[in-house]
Amino acid sequence: QLQLQESGPGLVKPSETLSLTCSVSGGFIGSTTYYWGWIRQPPGKGLEWIGSVFYTGSSYYNPSLKSRVSMSVDTSKNQFSLKLSSVTAADTAVYYCARHADRGDFYMDVWGRGTTVKVSS
Amino acid sequence: SSELTQDPAVSVALGQTVRITCQGDNLRNFHATWYQQRPGQAPLLVIFGNNNRPSGIPDRFSGSSSGNTASLTITGAQAEDEADYYCNSRDSSGKHLVVFGGGTKLTVL
Repeated sequence: QLQLQESGPGLVKPSETLSLTCSVSGGFIGSTTYYWGWIRQPPGKGLEWIGSVFYTGSSYYNPSLKSRVSMSVDTSKNQFSLKLSSVTAADTAVYYCARHADRGDFYMDVWGRGTTVKVSS
Repeated sequence: SSELTQDPAVSVALGQTVRITCQGDNLRNFHATWYQQRPGQAPLLVIFGNNNRPSGIPDRFSGSSSGNTASLTITGAQAEDEADYYCNSRDSSGKHLVVFGGGTKLTVL
């Protein structure tokens, strides 16, 4: 059974770079059928899609975050990562990693449990 | 870009049927996918490809669409169905971009 697990610092200072990693178990990240991505949820608010990355490194980002986001894949470790630069308090959220199925529709079929990141000095 | 609109809150009596809707122009070209999120938990896929349920999702959950509106219907709502429900779809550009609705809080009375 595929499982995803987020990891990274729970506290990041304003203007610094948020870095998270998602470890994939029970499946291979190098699949040609799936993308891998990130979604976040600020406290008390809805879901916001951040972006997704293919095992080749091809990536797609939310236009509203594109200038600050980068994602990468490490197939040797079966992991993928998120970097979000120049963070502010508005980036405080629960960050989820998720597998994205690309079958005409593009949707998240397996989610991690999420990790809370607070931006504060 | 594109937007998906959901009613902020909906309520249903225990055992009754409820419909949660999602509106957006991109739904004319792409199906809505539906997620359930219980408090303190990660979202869970409940409907994909317009009306397909992943393994383990009860058959009281179903999806449909007409024009620019997609619907999630729960037939015979149970107490455990009380949760936030989100729709999403591919962005209207057709690229690998995603847009979420704002979510609907379902209360089971």
